Amino acid sequence: NAGVMQNPRHLVRRRGQEARLRCSPMKGHSHVYWYRQLPEEGLKFMVYLQKENIIDESGMPKERFSAEFPKEGPSILRIQQVVRGDSAAYFCASSTWEYSGNTIYFGEGSWLTVV
Amino acid sequence: AQKITQTQPGMFVQEKEAVTLDCTYDTSDQSYGLFWYKQPSSGEMIFLIYQGSYDEQNATEGRYSLNFQKARKSANLVISASQLGDSAMYFCAPAASNQFYFGTGTSLTVIP
Repeated sequence: NAGVMQNPRHLVRRRGQEARLRCSPMKGHSHVYWYRQLPEEGLKFMVYLQKENIIDESGMPKERFSAEFPKEGPSILRIQQVVRGDSAAYFCASSTWEYSGNTIYFGEGSWLTVV
Repeated sequence: AQKITQTQPGMFVQEKEAVTLDCTYDTSDQSYGLFWYKQPSSGEMIFLIYQGSYDEQNATEGRYSLNFQKARKSANLVISASQLGDSAMYFCAPAASNQFYFGTGTSLTVIP
């Protein structure tokens, strides 16, 4: 009974490169959320997706960031032309529906370092 | 967006004592949920406890309980019989309208 799986756990990119972060939700979960945590800060909502649909992307930066959750395969958070300010922990969470008491779980996070 | 306030950036508690971590929030939603998560130094987010806004009873989960006061819009986490492994960051997260909103967190240190 695997939990939310994120990979890579740690990613180093040079400025200007692309970063791709993957998230496989828990089995049976069809809703995925992405959050960003900057050092010494809480989690900031980025985007909420269902299969093949972006439901809410109000927390996504307008440029360079995109997310998808295809019919098959993991959800992908893509950051193009990374800058040092993108260095953060990116957390994915999944649930069975919009939100429900004990059915939202987080992955272990992906730590992006931009050098 | 909702505003969440965790006024205690850092807390210390003696091992085996109880501690209360404060959380207040501002929402216009009538139906919402309240979550608390623990983030140890290893970084993962661990779900602790959930309270629905219409639940009449305060939620309890082992050594964790919520002191939920809907009219005051507060949902304080109470940890009883603190253990050294409780040392971590704790985040309050109200959830409504498809989103979780996280507070800035409270750092808890349990002293032996």
